[in-house]
Amino acid sequence: EAQVTQNPRYLITVTGKKLTVTCSQNMNHEYMSWYRQDPGLGLRQIYYSMNVEVTDKGDVPEGYKVSRKEKRNFPLILESPSPNQTSLYFCASTSAGVKTQYFGPGTRLLVL
Amino acid sequence: GEDVEQSLFLSVREGDSSVINCTYTDSSSTYLYWYKQEPGAGLQLLTYIFSNMDMKQDQRLTVLLNKKDKHLSLRIADTQTGDSAIYFCAEPAGGYQKVTFGTGTKLQVIP
Repeated sequence: EAQVTQNPRYLITVTGKKLTVTCSQNMNHEYMSWYRQDPGLGLRQIYYSMNVEVTDKGDVPEGYKVSRKEKRNFPLILESPSPNQTSLYFCASTSAGVKTQYFGPGTRLLVL
Repeated sequence: GEDVEQSLFLSVREGDSSVINCTYTDSSSTYLYWYKQEPGAGLQLLTYIFSNMDMKQDQRLTVLLNKKDKHLSLRIADTQTGDSAIYFCAEPAGGYQKVTFGTGTKLQVIP
């Protein structure tokens, strides 16, 4: 089954404690993205990757890092989380052609 | 990034038609998309329309595209309670496979 998986689904942490949210896709897509979703703001792109070892900033990259060492994985790293990073995070991979985005189930993060 | 605008909320009675509107910004977009987000889930592609089309119909869904006004709409006929969700319009924007999403319209269907 074609899918994007994220872990963990829920995370409560404290300010400054480094965390990683994993993302994996099994569709051999080259392009992957991370978004955050906040009420009234829709989805905002954090980072994206066009292929292995190729990443670039989206619209709201401050406070986040990513890596793309393998095609299937695209982890999101928060080196020093702050309360304003409390949000719902989605990973997505994009098909070629019509550019359909396939989304993971989301990770709800609370930073205290 | 570019702004894709939608109203935040729509309430309809079961069996009525719903119309969700969107204003986009990039007239060169090849496709325009509608995504659906059910409670507690990620987004799923609902339908898309090529920019050289004015209308696309898919069962209960009708997408209308007005390129002159950069206006996209999604009509859901015979709206059901299972249609309650947040609907996002989206357009490719900027470089390689980047997609910009609207703010989302929350559709509430009243039984």
